[in-house]
Amino acid sequence: NAGVMQNPRHLVRRRGQEARLRCSPMKGHSHVYWYRQLPEEGLKFMVYLQKENIIDESGMPKERFSAEFPKEGPSILRIQQVVRGDSAAYFCASNSAGPGYEQYFGPGTRLTVT
Amino acid sequence: QQQVKQSPQSLIVQKGGISIINCAYENTAFDYFPWYQQFPGKGPALLIAIRPDVSEKKEGRFTISFNKSAKQFSLHIMDSQPGDSATYFCAASIIGGTYKYIFGTGTRLKVLA
Repeated sequence: NAGVMQNPRHLVRRRGQEARLRCSPMKGHSHVYWYRQLPEEGLKFMVYLQKENIIDESGMPKERFSAEFPKEGPSILRIQQVVRGDSAAYFCASNSAGPGYEQYFGPGTRLTVT
Repeated sequence: QQQVKQSPQSLIVQKGGISIINCAYENTAFDYFPWYQQFPGKGPALLIAIRPDVSEKKEGRFTISFNKSAKQFSLHIMDSQPGDSATYFCAASIIGGTYKYIFGTGTRLKVLA
């Protein structure tokens, strides 16, 4: 039973480019969460999605960031026109029952903006 | 009200000693408190979790103590081992609904051999 998968594991982008981060939840999980972890800091919630719906995006920056979880395929976190401050580890988590229950984390995507 | 405060930021313990990490919260609606362990370059993994209807939960060498009136909970690692060296995060959430996890800032634990 494969766990949460994220790709790419490492992503380097120049300032102004777009970054696309992918997350495939565990089999049977329909709830997906994205977190950002800055160096030496804790995880900050960004967005919570169910299939085809954004449930809570209160942690998402207002501009340049977007997320989707289509009916088919992985969840995508998109960052447009990246800046150096976007450099961080982005983690995806999933579960089958909603936010109050155990969330299973993927290995993360480490984004470096040069 | 949405913060979870975690301390200490870093901790060094001798092998065989007890590691204690503390967290405090403000939102009395929280009713699910997990602890996550994260090794460098890896995603967080659930270690142990507690609900406020119990004051203590033990799993192997790991124990959560929960004080509802003080709005505090702590992780105790007994007989700490070098393999326990990692960053530990507490979190809080609400069972059901759509409320998100709020994570503490993390404690970097180093267990000396």
